[in-house]
Amino acid sequence: SAVISQKPSRDICQRGTSLTIQCQVDSQVTMMFWYRQQPGQSLTLIATANQGSEATYESGFVIDKFPISRPNLTFSTLTVSNMSPEDSSIYLCSVTPGEGTEAFFGQGTRLTVV
Amino acid sequence: GQNIDQPTEMTATEGAIVQINCTYQTSGFNGLFWYQQHAGEAPTFLSYNVLDGLEEKGRFSSFLSRSKGYSYLLLKELQMKDSASYLCAVRDSNYQLIWGAGTKLIIKP
Repeated sequence: SAVISQKPSRDICQRGTSLTIQCQVDSQVTMMFWYRQQPGQSLTLIATANQGSEATYESGFVIDKFPISRPNLTFSTLTVSNMSPEDSSIYLCSVTPGEGTEAFFGQGTRLTVV
Repeated sequence: GQNIDQPTEMTATEGAIVQINCTYQTSGFNGLFWYQQHAGEAPTFLSYNVLDGLEEKGRFSSFLSRSKGYSYLLLKELQMKDSASYLCAVRDSNYQLIWGAGTKLIIKP
C-alpha cells in the first residue's frame, strides 16, 4: 500500500497567478500520476512523473501550463500556471506501488480561480 | 480509441441491492478496478478483477467477463452512506489506468 500526503487541500487563487501542489508518498515509487477532475466528471490524466526525467504529458496538457517536478522517488509537485477560472477543478496525485496493485490517491486539492 | 462506459446515474432504496455495469474497449487488459468517490473526496479502492468471475468483499462484489469486455459492481444491503460516485477503471497494456466517467448512486430511504 501507499499513503500520500497532498497539500494544499484547497485554495482560492486570483487569475494570472500560479499554485504549486505537493505530494509526499510514504514509500518509493517509480511513477506518480497527476489527474484533474472537473465537477461531475471523471479523472483526466494530466501527466506521468518519473524520477530523473521529464514528465510525460497527455494530449491537451503542456509543460508550460503544468510544470512538474520529481526530485526523488517519494515526492512530486504540480504547478498550475497563469491560472484562469477554467482551471478551477480538483487536482489529484496518484501512485501504483506495483504492477498488480491498485492506485492510491492523495486527498486532492480543490482549486478555485476567481 | 479506448473507451469505458457506465451509467451516469442510478437510484436505489436503502436496504436493497444495486448493480452498476461497466463495459470497456481498451488496448490490452491488465485488470479492472472499482473505486468509490464521495463528493469532494479522493477515490478509494473497492475491488480488483483480473480473472473472470466474481470477487466478493463483504457487501460489495465485482464480476468480470474479459471475453465480453464487461464488469459489474454489486452492492447489497444498501446504506445511506453508499451514496457516492462509483468509478470503473481498466489498466491497459501500458499499465495505464483508463477511467470511466463514473456512476452517481443515489440512495433513498
